[in-house]
Amino acid sequence: KAGVTQTPRYLIKTRGQQVTLSCSPISGHRSVSWYQQTPGQGLQFLFEYFSETQRNKGNFPGRFSGRQFSNSRSEMNVSTLELGDSALYLCASSNLVAGGQETQYFGPGTRLLVL
Amino acid sequence: AQRVTQPEKLLSVFKGAPVELKCNYSYSGSPELFWYVQYSRQRLQLLLRHISRESIKGFTADLNKGETSFHLKKPFAQEEDSAMYYCALSGSGNTPLVFGKGTRLSVIA
Repeated sequence: KAGVTQTPRYLIKTRGQQVTLSCSPISGHRSVSWYQQTPGQGLQFLFEYFSETQRNKGNFPGRFSGRQFSNSRSEMNVSTLELGDSALYLCASSNLVAGGQETQYFGPGTRLLVL
Repeated sequence: AQRVTQPEKLLSVFKGAPVELKCNYSYSGSPELFWYVQYSRQRLQLLLRHISRESIKGFTADLNKGETSFHLKKPFAQEEDSAMYYCALSGSGNTPLVFGKGTRLSVIA
């Protein structure tokens, strides 16, 4: 099976702009989670989607949003970018079923630099 | 609230020496614990999870509910074990993963 793919891999934006990141999960996986990874804060959960519905949301401001399409592909959007949004954004997919925690498979990440 | 603590940012050991990466957690319910590893220039990948009780690449981890710990151990470190290791916790009912800050393991030849 092809792994989780994320596009673009690298992105440079300026403060105030907005950005959209894309994630394609492993075929058959219906759950997609997003994480932000920074040297200072480590890995922090952003949100999780399952069958086009947001199931969980981390402690991030409303500038961070996401969605999932019927083919399980997911996008996350960050509006009004701030310098502190510079990070590696990781997407993970899993074949999550009701109850329990299935193994999450991570993509390579999108490295966002905000200038 | 769920919390995962990895007290060591960096752990250096000699090749062939035993390795123990510490992980302590805080969670009031019944947790699921994981270890993820990130080798240089590779993506984050699952190393092991406590419910499977597997030994992967010689690593084992035992969930100690009394001490709220899930330390990762390997009897003889190899150079290829050098990587960043993250301990993660998931609570019951599809709650998201909470990661520790990670420990960088450096195995010295």
